[in-house]
Amino acid sequence: DTAVSQTPKYLVTQMGNDKSIKCEQNLGHDTMYWYKQDSKKFLKIMFSYNNKELIINETVPNRFSPKSPDKAHLNLHINSLELGDSAVYFCASSQGTRADTQYFGPGTRLTVL
Amino acid sequence: GNSVTQMEGPVTLSEEAFLTINCTYTATGYPSLFWYVQYPGEGLQLLLKATKADDKGSNKGFEATYRKETTSFHLEKGSVQVSDSAVYFCALPFSSGSARQLTFGSGTQLTVLP
Repeated sequence: DTAVSQTPKYLVTQMGNDKSIKCEQNLGHDTMYWYKQDSKKFLKIMFSYNNKELIINETVPNRFSPKSPDKAHLNLHINSLELGDSAVYFCASSQGTRADTQYFGPGTRLTVL
Repeated sequence: GNSVTQMEGPVTLSEEAFLTINCTYTATGYPSLFWYVQYPGEGLQLLLKATKADDKGSNKGFEATYRKETTSFHLEKGSVQVSDSAVYFCALPFSSGSARQLTFGSGTQLTVLP
C-alpha cells in the first residue's frame, strides 16, 4: 500500500530535453508539494497545490511547470533541462493548507548529462 | 521569518553510543516543531513532533523536547543502532500567503558503525 508514489525513480537525460515526473497519493490528502533536494541534502520547496489550485510557487525557473489533474496527482514537467537541474525531486502530500505533517514519496533522481 | 539552524554533520558513532543532534529555531509565536528522517534511498518520513512549549516528542527511542527558553528542539537517543544511520532534518512551519509550508534545516548525516 504505497502512500505517495513517484515515477520514474531514476531519470537520466541529455541537456535541452523535456521530461516529466509523475506523483500520486492514495492518502486522501488535498495538498501536494514538489521539493528539490541537492547533492548536499538541502531541501527546498518548489510548488504546492491544494485541491488542484496552485498555492505556493517559490522562485523556480519557468522551465518547471507543475500540473495537478486532480487532488491525488501532481506532475512536474521540466523543459530545456540544464545541468543544474540534476537533483532528487520529492513529491509530498498533507491534509489541509495549514497541515504540518507531510508524507513524502521515494524521490526521483534526475541526472542531466 | 521562521527558520531553523541545525548541527552540521556528518556524525559518526559506534553502536550503543548516545546521540544528540542540535536544532535551534527562530519563530514568531510557538509553532509546532518536527524531526524528519531520511533513510538511504528513501523519502523523508516524520520521526517525531511537538506542538507546544515543554512538549516532548518521542518515537523509536528518539526524543526531543520543545524548549522555548533556549529556542531549541534537540534530538536525542540513548543507544543508537546501525539501522539509525540516516539523514535527520529539523523543521518548522511558516506561513506563505494563505498556505503554510515547512522550512527544513540543512540535515545531519548520521552513520552508526557496528
